[in-house]
Amino acid sequence: DTGVSQNPRHKITKRGQNVTFRCDPISEHNRLYWYRQTLGQGPEFLTYFQNEAQLEKSRLLSDRFSAERPKGSFSTLEIQRTEQGDSAMYLCASSLGLTVEAFFGQGTRLTVV
Amino acid sequence: GESVGLHLPTLSVQEGDNSIINCAYSNSASDYFIWYKQESGKGPQFIIDIRSNMDKRQGQRVTVLLNKTVKHLSLQIAATQPGDSAVYFCAENLIQGAQKLVFGQGTRLTINP
Repeated sequence: DTGVSQNPRHKITKRGQNVTFRCDPISEHNRLYWYRQTLGQGPEFLTYFQNEAQLEKSRLLSDRFSAERPKGSFSTLEIQRTEQGDSAMYLCASSLGLTVEAFFGQGTRLTVV
Repeated sequence: GESVGLHLPTLSVQEGDNSIINCAYSNSASDYFIWYKQESGKGPQFIIDIRSNMDKRQGQRVTVLLNKTVKHLSLQIAATQPGDSAVYFCAENLIQGAQKLVFGQGTRLTINP
């Protein structure tokens, strides 16, 4: 499978715990994006990387959220001290250069209990 | 604020009929628009895109129309099939050359046999 891969697919965690998600973009795609989607809503932009540089962060990305893409390939999204309001689907997408067509992964569904 | 919305949350059509899904956007500076299809439990799937310097673009069984005067976007699906049943999102791109997409709430399309 050469698409965008996200792990884990599902995560259930207790409030206050830290969680980390991983995204492996399509090979050679230099741009990587994180979105969050709650039930019945469209995805909301969180942040994006060009290679290893994080170029844009949404106001939605509080200081409990951090994203990295250390080698310009895979990316991780960490949420510290999770809250119930963090429960959502976290989507990763990647694109090549200035091509704006982004390909989405299947997402990681987070449930905070 | 900036937002992209849809006129109808649900749409049902008979198999074989054509369907039209509408979208209103509010940011006149957006230069690029995309329609995505999202099936249950999956990430959004790119359908078709259109740049702001165009008013119509056709793909396979799909046509996107852009009316910048009234900030309206539509997706036409010809000869609908059961596999077209999904939630459809329009999205506008707010950063030229990147893909900071603002998604609408989505329209659930149901194809009746």
